[in-house]
Amino acid sequence: QSALTQPASVSGSPGQSITISCTGTSSDIGTYNHVSWYQQHPGKAPKLILYDVSDRPSGVSNRFSGSKSGNTASLTISGLQADDEAAYYCSSCTSSLTRWVFGGGTELTVL
Amino acid sequence: QVQLAQSGAEVKKPGASVKVSCKASGYTFTGYYIHWVRQAPGQGLEWVGWINPDSGGTNYAQKFQGWVTMTRDASISTVYMQLSSLKPDDTAVYYCARDRTEYSASWHYDYWGRGTLVTVSS
Repeated sequence: QSALTQPASVSGSPGQSITISCTGTSSDIGTYNHVSWYQQHPGKAPKLILYDVSDRPSGVSNRFSGSKSGNTASLTISGLQADDEAAYYCSSCTSSLTRWVFGGGTELTVL
Repeated sequence: QVQLAQSGAEVKKPGASVKVSCKASGYTFTGYYIHWVRQAPGQGLEWVGWINPDSGGTNYAQKFQGWVTMTRDASISTVYMQLSSLKPDDTAVYYCARDRTEYSASWHYDYWGRGTLVTVSS
């Protein structure tokens, strides 16, 4: 069982927006703004798409945005495209001895 | 360009050890921490630990303390991760990934290797 909880799957049609939630606790997301999101296509290494809750690395589309409220962080993808179909993982710093935790991942299907 | 080249797939028997390498290029090797993250088949990501290539200092997830060792050879810009006392549950793809923040650990990984599949089976 992952330390951060994500929905197993979400879906949307091209052009639509979707939001993926990532729920933690007061020991991780609730306390720290060191939340990041990764996109992983099958058979590929993950790719960083957001860090520090809402910052985008250079080269990442502004269709990807992030937010946080309490113990839950969220990733929103607007203007869905076929290539967005992938698994998405959140991660966060934690005050526990684990130090860094990931969510279980969310499979995004573009209908 | 930044590249992390990992060693090839390994097949090990339970109880054995494995050493995976990650050769960095395209940037100042000693400037960025390297993390190791693993992914069991069909499963999510799990942070294993990091190494500071400059000092050789390490930080391991509690779960792996005592049976993971991370080292580096700065002369060839390579870091290593050794896992001992392997179990079938350790079967996974092991990734090395560069921390995006210079000279510190932010736990945000901007470049990844392609991964090394380690299979533990009798």
